[in-house]
Amino acid sequence: EIVLTQSPGTLSLSPGERATLSCRASQSVSSGYIAWYQQKPGQAPRLLIHGASSRATGIPDRFSGSGSGTDFTLTISRLDPEDFAVYYCQQYESSPETFGQGTKVEIK
Amino acid sequence: QVQLQESGPGLVKPSETLSLTCTVSGVSINTFHWSWIRQSAGKGPEFIGHLYSTGSTDYNPSLKSRLTMSMDKSKNQFSLKLSSVTAADTAVYYCARDQGRPYVSWYYFDNWGQGTLVTVSS
Repeated sequence: EIVLTQSPGTLSLSPGERATLSCRASQSVSSGYIAWYQQKPGQAPRLLIHGASSRATGIPDRFSGSGSGTDFTLTISRLDPEDFAVYYCQQYESSPETFGQGTKVEIK
Repeated sequence: QVQLQESGPGLVKPSETLSLTCTVSGVSINTFHWSWIRQSAGKGPEFIGHLYSTGSTDYNPSLKSRLTMSMDKSKNQFSLKLSSVTAADTAVYYCARDQGRPYVSWYYFDNWGQGTLVTVSS
């Protein structure tokens, strides 16, 4: 199965700053079948991005996804107070679908 | 608006069977594929299995020998049974709707239930 490794584990930033989150796959996700989710405490994950770069319905355009092959990135252009949360990447290139271990974006 | 709601016992004894139900509203379960996903404390989510609109299934190989998933179309519900549970099965269990391109890709998950905590303990 494809193992996804997210970095950094924790990102300490201030509101208004730019956040760059990394997701590295153990083998190529050649079709770009990567999704990103946001999870706040006590809540289910919320879909942000699919197909590596397509925003889900209702997701603000400050969230963007990019990447190819084994390296993918989620960028939050200007952090809003509501964006402080844990973010997960997921691959759906091959079975079974797998998730990364998460990056926590915390207020500095 | 699609809504999913998990239900079932919050406490299961070791070696027994964990049983959960997901009730779907806002859409017929005939028209989409569905999944169960779980998340242990402080970890990333773990995919459990797919239940397709046809009633067929795809299970995570790591859990396959202990899993049964099924649907009740008359109630717009689908269910999960995980047998011979241990403490390692303690987690928040989510049901979710699949999205993807059948025969082209596997699936991501665009709608999730709120999750239900299942603790395995005697």
